[in-house]
Amino acid sequence: AQSVTQPDIHITVSEGASLELRCNYSYGATPYLFWYVQSPGQGLQLLLKYFSGDTLVQGIKGFEAEFKRSQSSFNLRKPSVHWSDAAEYFCAVGWAGTASKLTFGTGTRLQVTL
Amino acid sequence: GAGVSQSPRYKVAKRGQDVALRCDPISGHVSLFWYQQALGQGPEFLTYFQNEAQLDKSGLPSDRFFAERPEGSVSTLKIQRTQQEDSAVYLCASSLAFVTSGGAKNIQYFGAGTRLSVL
Repeated sequence: AQSVTQPDIHITVSEGASLELRCNYSYGATPYLFWYVQSPGQGLQLLLKYFSGDTLVQGIKGFEAEFKRSQSSFNLRKPSVHWSDAAEYFCAVGWAGTASKLTFGTGTRLQVTL
Repeated sequence: GAGVSQSPRYKVAKRGQDVALRCDPISGHVSLFWYQQALGQGPEFLTYFQNEAQLDKSGLPSDRFFAERPEGSVSTLKIQRTQQEDSAVYLCASSLAFVTSGGAKNIQYFGAGTRLSVL
């Protein structure tokens, strides 16, 4: 079965520090990969996406992610975190050909200390 | 509209009561999805429509859950005889294109969700 793993349930970083959130998926085919952010009481906002091509993708709010096929990973990074980045982050995977539903990870809650 | 709109935002139901949750997708979006997000979990797929056709309902947890999109726009998720385990946030998403068209047209845009609490 298709699955997405976000091994870090909760991460705390200081404002201005760098950030990396991990995401691994299981499936053999080429995936469509997404990172969404969810603030309390809000829906999911798309940060960035990967469909094909350059494996380093840029998103909104200064986020980037790198697709590594050999590691089945799509880690999210930001060089300098802002207090407003505190939220829940979800990695999601879809697959071409069956790409109807998205499979989400369980999320990583980011706390930012001042 | 500018985004996906869901109503009500909050719903409190007594166990055994029927509820109906509404989703108004982005105008012109062909595909519509429902997800269930339990507390502390990621969203889980419930069902998918392409226009008015329900093409995948594999995620519906029981026959108490029913979804429709009769005119290919607004969708309603109905839960009959609600149970406490139905308490969750129900998210709706829409995308521009048919599922198999691939690429950026398959980006799903989410509404703010309906938080259902069953007492």
